[in-house]
Amino acid sequence: DAGITQSPRYKITETGRQVTLMCHQTWSHSYMFWYRQDLGHGLRLIYYSAAADITDKGEVPDGYVVSRSKTENFPLTLESATRSQTSVYFCASSGRGGSNTGELFFGEGSRLTVL
Amino acid sequence: SQQGEEDPQALSIQEGENATMNCSYKTSINNLQWYRQNSGRGLVHLILIRSNEREKHSGRLRVTLDTSKKSSSLLITASRAADTASYFCATPYTGANSKLTFGKGITLSVRP
Repeated sequence: DAGITQSPRYKITETGRQVTLMCHQTWSHSYMFWYRQDLGHGLRLIYYSAAADITDKGEVPDGYVVSRSKTENFPLTLESATRSQTSVYFCASSGRGGSNTGELFFGEGSRLTVL
Repeated sequence: SQQGEEDPQALSIQEGENATMNCSYKTSINNLQWYRQNSGRGLVHLILIRSNEREKHSGRLRVTLDTSKKSSSLLITASRAADTASYFCATPYTGANSKLTFGKGITLSVRP
């Protein structure tokens, strides 16, 4: 189906384990983003990508790694999960950026619990 | 860091009433966007207003932008129970228009 999909939708893991959250979009949007949403903090940008093989840090990148080998995929990896990374993670994409930033299309979120 | 800040944090109204939500931001922007988030779901784009626009309409939504006061308002007219959701304003990060920063959101409850 067309759109932006995230997997898994729910994940429980333990401290120290590696976790990868997947994001796939079918629009060939250039821009993709990872946000985390926490009570009291709203949404905070973790990493973003302007195109394949181009990624950059957002507001809270520590403890996360991203890659973008293909335009349609933007996986987020927690190399060694910590309890503070318990959150809801949202992937988003946009067809426009720069001075003409367009709307973001969000996935349904991945709820991660780190025990 | 976050630019936009919504006000109030929570709003409860009766069905049929109008809901007004405000957003203030800190630095100059070239556009401001509003999003809605239903419980347990992703955010959905509602409307984008550019810095050279003062007012924009979309269905029951009316958005204003006052760049001199660095503020925006979202008005939902004739609210419905289905409008119950969280609403966020989003602005480009300072000096980086490709990235959006979101406020903490306003929780709107519309009572039937």
